[in-house]
This record gives sequence, structure tokens and C-alpha cells, in this order.
Amino acid sequence: KAGVTQTPRYLIKTRGQQVTLSCSPISGHRSVSWYQQTPGQGLQFLFEYFSETQRNKGNFPGRFSGRQFSNSRSEMNVSTLELGDSALYLCASTEGGSTEAFFGQGTRLTVV
Amino acid sequence: GQSLEQPSEVTAVEGAIVQINCTYQTSGFYGLSWYQQHDGGAPTFLSYNALDGLEETGRFSSFLSRSDSYGYLLLQELQMKDSASYFCAVNSGGYQKVTFGIGTKLQVIP
Repeated sequence: KAGVTQTPRYLIKTRGQQVTLSCSPISGHRSVSWYQQTPGQGLQFLFEYFSETQRNKGNFPGRFSGRQFSNSRSEMNVSTLELGDSALYLCASTEGGSTEAFFGQGTRLTVV
Repeated sequence: GQSLEQPSEVTAVEGAIVQINCTYQTSGFYGLSWYQQHDGGAPTFLSYNALDGLEETGRFSSFLSRSDSYGYLLLQELQMKDSASYFCAVNSGGYQKVTFGIGTKLQVIP
């Protein structure tokens, strides 16, 4: 079984631009969650999608958005990038009813 | 809201035992998870406790006390490869709403 795949692995963007990150969950997993990881802040929950519906949302500004497609693949978008958005963005997929989340390798976003 | 506290760094000797504590404040508590993350790697699931008591998986054990809002991860027979960050995480709200602590960086020394 293939693991969680995130693309791209690395990204450099300029302030004010927007970016879209992609996450393909493990086959059969319908829940996809997104996290932002920065030094000293740990993993901060962005949002969670299940069957194309956002079920949970963390405390991030509206510049951060996401969506999930019918094949469970998910994308997150960050608009009007700020320097503080530089971070490792991780996505995790979960099988229905399970508490074990499987993480991808993440996308490291650098905003300059 | 939810908040978790765990030590930021711990150092232990190879072959020894180390305990990483986690206290939490949350509403709608469903369970406490532990994840391991090596530098440059993805977090990997270690354990989940929904009920009070100790869960053992090989060299790793995890404990939960719901009345004390407290849990810990116990690592025995430490190996150099156990050097990593360990995150406790609270599952609340029924769905996959998981709040992570800031992580404990464990350094295992010879």
C-alpha cells in the first residue's frame, strides 16, 4: 500500500503570491488533515476533510483554505503569502473510525 | 480550546528508561496519542490511549489518567535511534480534530 504523498516537497514563493499544496492519502482513507509545523510551535491543526466536506477547522486566517476531491485527494491553498507562512506543511490521512494518522513527508514552504 | 504541556527537551543514556510526561486541558476528550518524528521525517504513530491505564507495545508504553488530564510515554532499553521528537496529541470533538503538543526532543547519549 502506498503511503501518503505530498507534492511538491519543496517550494519557494515570494510575499504576496499564492500557493497550492497537494496531498494524496492512502488508498481507502477518506479523512485528510492538514498541519503547519514550525520550530517552537509544534504541529498546528489547519483543517480536516472527510468525503469532500470540511469537518474541522483550526485557528488560522481565511487566507488558508482547502478542499477535497471525490477520490479523497486534498489540496490546501494559501493566498497573499506572508514571511510567517514559511513552514513545513504536513498532511495526514486516517481510515474511517481509526485514531492512527499516517503522515506524508510534508511540503517545505519558504516565503521570501 | 485545547492546550497540552510537555517538556521541550530530555536527555537520557543508551540502555536506560525515560518517561515523557504530557498534561492537557481540553473539552470533549476522546483520547491521547503519541507520535515520533525524526529530524527531517514525518511523524509516525506510536500509541493511543482512550481509557485509563497502561498500554504496552514492545519497548514503548503509554499511560493515561483521564481524571488527572495526564499521560506519559515510557521508553525502555533506549537505543540511539530513539533520538527524535515525541509529540503527545489530544483527540477531541469526535472527528479527526487532533491538537498536538509542541513536542519533546529526546537525545539519547552513549
